[in-house]
Amino acid sequence: DTEVTQTPKHLVMGMTNKKSLKCEQHMGHRAMYWYKQKAKKPPELMFVYSYEKLSINESVPSRFSPECPNSSLLNLHLHALQPEDSALYLCASSQANRATDTQYFGPGTRLTVL
Amino acid sequence: SQELEQSPQSLIVQEGKNLTINCTSSKTLYGLYWYKQKYGEGLIFLMMLQKGGEEKSHEKITAKLDEKKQQSSLHITASQPSHAGIYLCGADVNTGNQFYFGTGTSLTVIP
Repeated sequence: DTEVTQTPKHLVMGMTNKKSLKCEQHMGHRAMYWYKQKAKKPPELMFVYSYEKLSINESVPSRFSPECPNSSLLNLHLHALQPEDSALYLCASSQANRATDTQYFGPGTRLTVL
Repeated sequence: SQELEQSPQSLIVQEGKNLTINCTSSKTLYGLYWYKQKYGEGLIFLMMLQKGGEEKSHEKITAKLDEKKQQSSLHITASQPSHAGIYLCGADVNTGNQFYFGTGTSLTVIP
């Protein structure tokens, strides 16, 4: 099973809402990632979790709050977002956070902020 | 500046034609990955190259890594409409636990 699942597939939220994106993998991977992808641009790394600890935060605004409750789950909590945060949010996982570890991606959550 | 540059930016080919996409790094490559993305969807892992001179094939797609030139190429033989999408190369170019994506190549295959 090389599947990374993400829910929901689509999310529309207002600027005052609080919502969460969820990512799950059952491959025993110990590194998980959040990426943000704007239209016609490559994905940009937001956060990296390695062994359930946040190891990289790419200067992401605090209105995005990641959480890794266990080795299979990764959440991204959203609060007070701006319309420019509308994008495809991709989750990925890899065996560990090493250069030679293949990252497997989920299908993404399409987020629209009104 | 972009760590990984892809060329061409977009490509329109007739079905059945061969094509090549290039990915060039400004720094040393430590593992080079190729992904395919349908517009607005997640990334599908195609293949990974680790060693200079390595070449891998999957169905009609072949990827090569030229470590000296810090470049990888993706070649599609006898393209089909199902090959259409955005192709992204990805790599760790600093061994600093950061993964970079290339600028992307949009491929359209005309039946």
